[in-house]
Amino acid sequence: GQQVMQIPQYQHVQEGEDFTTYCNSSTTLSNIQWYKQRPGGHPVFLIQLVKSGEVKKQKRLTFQFEEAKKNSSLHITATQTTDVGTYFCAGPGETSGSRLTFGEGTQLTVNP
Amino acid sequence: DGGITQSPKYLFRKEGQNVTLSCEQNLNHDAMYWYRQDPGQGLRLIYYSQIVNDFQKGDIAEGYSVSREKKESFPLTVTSAQKNPTAFYLCASTFFSGNTIYFGEGSWLTVV
Repeated sequence: GQQVMQIPQYQHVQEGEDFTTYCNSSTTLSNIQWYKQRPGGHPVFLIQLVKSGEVKKQKRLTFQFEEAKKNSSLHITATQTTDVGTYFCAGPGETSGSRLTFGEGTQLTVNP
Repeated sequence: DGGITQSPKYLFRKEGQNVTLSCEQNLNHDAMYWYRQDPGQGLRLIYYSQIVNDFQKGDIAEGYSVSREKKESFPLTVTSAQKNPTAFYLCASTFFSGNTIYFGEGSWLTVV
């Protein structure tokens, strides 16, 4: 079945350093979504990418959806302590578009 | 306020007891989901429902049951057959087909 994998599982950075998490799907995706979960909180939607090769920016966050629509990345420039949390990618299921398959997430800690 | 309401936020259960977690949404979403999250882990799909009176098993349905008698409501029962039920349970909802998923604030279940 479809698998969505994320690396790394954990990332520790000093405040001000950059951070990147990578998402790889075993199948081509019609779209990919990214979510952020703060410690003790619930996942919150960040962005959806639909087009092949799409790049979207939200302030210090840059999201990419590569040409083959199987891989995606999230890059944070100059991390801040407010960026702490777990970042998940998710893609629609092969058999049911309304069923999202989530990656395992990348847990980011930022040392001040 | 529009959103997804989960209750209770914290629940303690004795071994051998069934418990029911409530999830209500007023977003007029069609599909609803239940995810389980263990500490430091990703999201695993328990059950989902795309329409009233219909639901499908997710990846870890054993020991759980659901109902979808109303569009707004999707309660989850954790039965005594679930061997390791201590976890964080997240309810979510969306319109059809790969759209953004909105999560409730979650319910923490602890077996004592």
